Amino acid sequence: DVKVTQSSRYLVKRTGEKVFLECVQDMDHENMFWYRQDPGLGLRLIYFSYDVKMKEKGDIPEGYSVSREKKERFSLILESASTNQTSMYLCASSLGGVAEKLFFGSGTQLSVL
Amino acid sequence: AQTVTQSQPEMSVQEAETVTLSCTYDTSESNYYLFWYKQPPSRQMILVIRQEAYKQQNATENRFSVNFQKAAKSFSLKISDSQLGDTAMYFCAFMKDQGAQKLVFGQGTRLTINP
Repeated sequence: DVKVTQSSRYLVKRTGEKVFLECVQDMDHENMFWYRQDPGLGLRLIYFSYDVKMKEKGDIPEGYSVSREKKERFSLILESASTNQTSMYLCASSLGGVAEKLFFGSGTQLSVL
Repeated sequence: AQTVTQSQPEMSVQEAETVTLSCTYDTSESNYYLFWYKQPPSRQMILVIRQEAYKQQNATENRFSVNFQKAAKSFSLKISDSQLGDTAMYFCAFMKDQGAQKLVFGQGTRLTINP
């Protein structure tokens, strides 16, 4: 089975800190995604990547950046964490074909105090 | 831009009952895909079922089936003989046929199956 691993299940950070959320997949998937999940809003796409060193903005990229130096790893970076970035962050990956299903990690619940 | 709307924030049924979760979407695309994902308390999102818009036949996966009404832009999920393990958040999602393979999600419906 495909495994998507997120480095932390829970994370608490201070306002203004630089935060790194790491995601690793083990099935050589082309596509990787970062979503944030908020009650009543569902999942919203922050960034995605369809190849190494390639990235595209999703629907809510402001305040975030990403890095994909290796195919299996996709990092989400909060340059200067703010309280409105308190959320559940979900990483996902998929093969490069059409409408391939996404495989998700178990999420990181980030609290910014 | 595509939008997906789930109008039922929460639902609750008794074990073994049938339950239907609603989903509507808005798009100008003619070809696309629709999905239902399940997120149990473990937080691991799991694909439940997938529908290709150009197929008229409704998708079915064991106890899970959909009612896809393309003209009405409606995509409901029916769970038959509900089980305690069906308790989860359910998300409806849309993906275009062309371009970036990214999902647009609805707000989610929290389903509770009571013993």
